[in-house]
Amino acid sequence: SQELEQSPQSLIVQEGKNLTINCTSSKTLYGLYWYKQKYGEGLIFLMMLQKGGEEKSHEKITAKLDEKKQQSSLHITASQPSHAGIYLCGAAMDSNYQLIWGAGTKLIIKP
Amino acid sequence: NAGVTQTPKFQVLKTGQSMTLQCAQDMNHNSMYWYRQDPGMGLRLIYYSASEGTTDKGEVPNGYNVSRLNKREFSLRLESAAPSQTSVYFCASSSPIGRQAHQPQHFGDGTRLSIL
Repeated sequence: SQELEQSPQSLIVQEGKNLTINCTSSKTLYGLYWYKQKYGEGLIFLMMLQKGGEEKSHEKITAKLDEKKQQSSLHITASQPSHAGIYLCGAAMDSNYQLIWGAGTKLIIKP
Repeated sequence: NAGVTQTPKFQVLKTGQSMTLQCAQDMNHNSMYWYRQDPGMGLRLIYYSASEGTTDKGEVPNGYNVSRLNKREFSLRLESAAPSQTSVYFCASSSPIGRQAHQPQHFGDGTRLSIL
């Protein structure tokens, strides 16, 4: 959807390096979700952000939502081969149940 | 825990054929969703069911029908398949707490559908 821009489209990173994926909306978001998809599999939920300025971490992955609730970043520290896959952001634009999705970022980790 | 189960995992159809994609969840979720995923386009919502007994159109409903059979099951039907419906289809479920709260959606492993 053009309402939710995700960048970059793809990323090749040397193992051990840090990386950041961004998700940007022109509208204020009610909620922002990050998912990971391995090739040929379903989406695995990573984190949900709802408050402006919120930051959450799980192992080596940190997600942030800016104060205006229009941009989120996903940061991976010291990347590992297990981090490879497609990362998608999904956003609630209003109070109903529907989510709008970014096109995804394909992450490749070089050993 | 099975979570969200989709069948079949793969299917090849000829143009004009019909088929039903099945989805079941065992998490007692109220809401269920059907998405399609195409290269470079992310996920697009086809239909959703906010609760048992209700269904609503999403972003791309044309050419599809759905049935919320009970709280657990939500099926997607292609009445007359077209090559443009070649895609990966995902079913998801969630359980919103009140109309102002959002909860994560849980996804099945997908159905890879090719229409020749």
